[in-house]
Amino acid sequence: SAVISQKPSRDICQRGTSLTIQCQVDSQVTMMFWYRQQPGQSLTLIATANQGSEATYESGFVIDKFPISRPNLTFSTLTVSNMSPEDSSIYLCSVRPPGRGYEQYFGPGTRLTVT
Amino acid sequence: AQTVTQSQPEMSVQEAETVTLSCTYDTSESDYYLFWYKQPPSRQMILVIRQEAYKQQNATENRFSVNFQKAAKSFSLKISDSQLGDAAMYFCAYRSGTGTASKLTFGTGTRLQVTL
Repeated sequence: SAVISQKPSRDICQRGTSLTIQCQVDSQVTMMFWYRQQPGQSLTLIATANQGSEATYESGFVIDKFPISRPNLTFSTLTVSNMSPEDSSIYLCSVRPPGRGYEQYFGPGTRLTVT
Repeated sequence: AQTVTQSQPEMSVQEAETVTLSCTYDTSESDYYLFWYKQPPSRQMILVIRQEAYKQQNATENRFSVNFQKAAKSFSLKISDSQLGDAAMYFCAYRSGTGTASKLTFGTGTRLQVTL
């Protein structure tokens, strides 16, 4: 498996501000994924981030609201921009480790509360 | 599009007993993977077990095993000798086997309580 860390683990933010979430992996991975988990809900894929290319966003998610960076094979950031209370969720980073691409592992998540 | 259905929002099991969590999925593909993930209250998603569709043998990982019925598109998780640490949300997930960019599709989850 891959060891994935996220920063911050939680934050409380005011509406209209932005928060950048960092995801660090202990091994080089080609594909990284960002998910949102709203309270009591299942996981929804926001975007797929490959190193060296633009992130691919799922329906309902746009780059202006959720810009993603992927500067190298072990790191990515997700920014939640111009936040509203509806953005209050857990945001999870996920990877498919090299040699085990049929499996997918998740970071501990970032719990975001927007007031 | 593929869909994953977990019809049991909550389940309860006594410690040391066995419980089965249900999952059905809908797909027209023949090559795919199925997974069970566990999310304890601390929220870290943990991969419990995976099943490749081309394998007839049901996957087993210690106390966790699956009953994979491909024709019925059913993929249940059996937890034997339940422990307090098994209390969590359990998510069933599907992934197409075609293409490296194929995505995970999750069910809505089953919350498992383990009682003494």
